[in-house]
Amino acid sequence: ILNVEQSPQSLHVQEGDSTNFTCSFPSSNFYALHWYRWETAKSPEALFVMTLNGDEKKKGRISATLNTKEGYSYLYIKGSQPEDSATYLCAFKGGYSTLTFGKGTMLLVSP
Amino acid sequence: DTGVSQDPRHKITKRGQNVTFRCDPISEHNRLYWYRQTLGQGPEFLTYFQNEAQLEKSRLLSDRFSAERPKGSFSTLEIQRTEQGDSAMYLCASSSNPGSYQETQYFGPGTRLLVL
Repeated sequence: ILNVEQSPQSLHVQEGDSTNFTCSFPSSNFYALHWYRWETAKSPEALFVMTLNGDEKKKGRISATLNTKEGYSYLYIKGSQPEDSATYLCAFKGGYSTLTFGKGTMLLVSP
Repeated sequence: DTGVSQDPRHKITKRGQNVTFRCDPISEHNRLYWYRQTLGQGPEFLTYFQNEAQLEKSRLLSDRFSAERPKGSFSTLEIQRTEQGDSAMYLCASSSNPGSYQETQYFGPGTRLLVL
């Protein structure tokens, strides 16, 4: 059974704060690490697919880094806005297996 | 391209009844996945199709669950003799480049099932 852990479980920040979350995953048999954003009543939205150790990806104010040797990825949000409020999911893909998701980090950004 | 759609969005049923959910993937996506999310958990893999072939099923998929993708386009997920433990969000996803390191799964909005 693959273990994908996300922390913190939830986070409440003020508009303009920068924040970051952690995803830890098995360091062996790594294939890819996915980040999704899931707003209430909407479809989970793909943010990043990361495949190489040291990868850094950016989309607007959101960025992510990847360390496959130690088995973790960070997601950063710079200058949080209320519209960033969502659950952020990471998912590990090892070999030809399907995605194994963490439980998510629920972010609430207050105006 | 309207994305992945699922129907219904919500379903309330009584224990013991059968329910069926439908997923329409992004057109021309040849791979289709089903996941289930229960309260406080991340989505858990149930099964997936490559075109019309069902290639893998999770041990979570008991014999009361059956999934089909008859023409390699839309898919249905049926749960027979529902139990209260089946209450969950059922998510569908599709992708177009399976096997690629960069394969991205695009998700639908899910069907939320409540079994009374």
